[in-house]
Amino acid sequence: GQNIDQPTEMTATEGAIVQINCTYQTSGFNGLFWYQQHAGEAPTFLSYNVLDGLEEKGRFSSFLSRSKGYSYLLLKELQMKDSASYLCAAEPISGNTPLVFGKGTRLSVIA
Amino acid sequence: NAGVTQTPKFQVLKTGQSMTLQCAQDMNHEYMSWYRQDPGMGLRLIHYSVGAGITDQGEVPNGYNVSRSTTEDFPLRLLSAAPSQTSVYFCASRDRGARETQYFGPGTRLLVL
Repeated sequence: GQNIDQPTEMTATEGAIVQINCTYQTSGFNGLFWYQQHAGEAPTFLSYNVLDGLEEKGRFSSFLSRSKGYSYLLLKELQMKDSASYLCAAEPISGNTPLVFGKGTRLSVIA
Repeated sequence: NAGVTQTPKFQVLKTGQSMTLQCAQDMNHEYMSWYRQDPGMGLRLIHYSVGAGITDQGEVPNGYNVSRSTTEDFPLRLLSAAPSQTSVYFCASRDRGARETQYFGPGTRLLVL
């Protein structure tokens, strides 16, 4: 199966760092995606990890450990506009089926 | 490129009515899919297609039909709408191959009374 688990909600302070975790049980996958979704909008791509380790993109970084079935999204220097839902999605190894999404983590950034 | 487009943006239906949600992409992507998103449930896959003439069921296909006559278009049909189908519907497309990200349309907000 491909159960993907994320915390439902998180709150963090403007300027701080927050880590959003994602764990997955999958029989095989190619990689792990992170998407950002603001309220009332469509998800937009943030990052992709296929190898173990950390991928950094400006204020956002994503980490993957395939052996542990674990990923996290790290957001630094939080801004109010980072308040959104963050979706973790697994790419099935078959390559012929769509991404499988977790339920998302709603992040609230407070002053 | 317009990317992935969806129409309509909003729709109100009465129970039992039928309608088609339109989805089109201009990126020549082979893979297209439909998700519904409900509070607390995340994105759930309804149907998907890996190319023109090929469709398959996802996690929650009941009450929905799809067809893929061209690479560009992937309409979703509700044959007899039910209140349980009140949701936000997202169409997405993706190119063939690993590491290709999935692009989403803006969504259709459907209310079934």
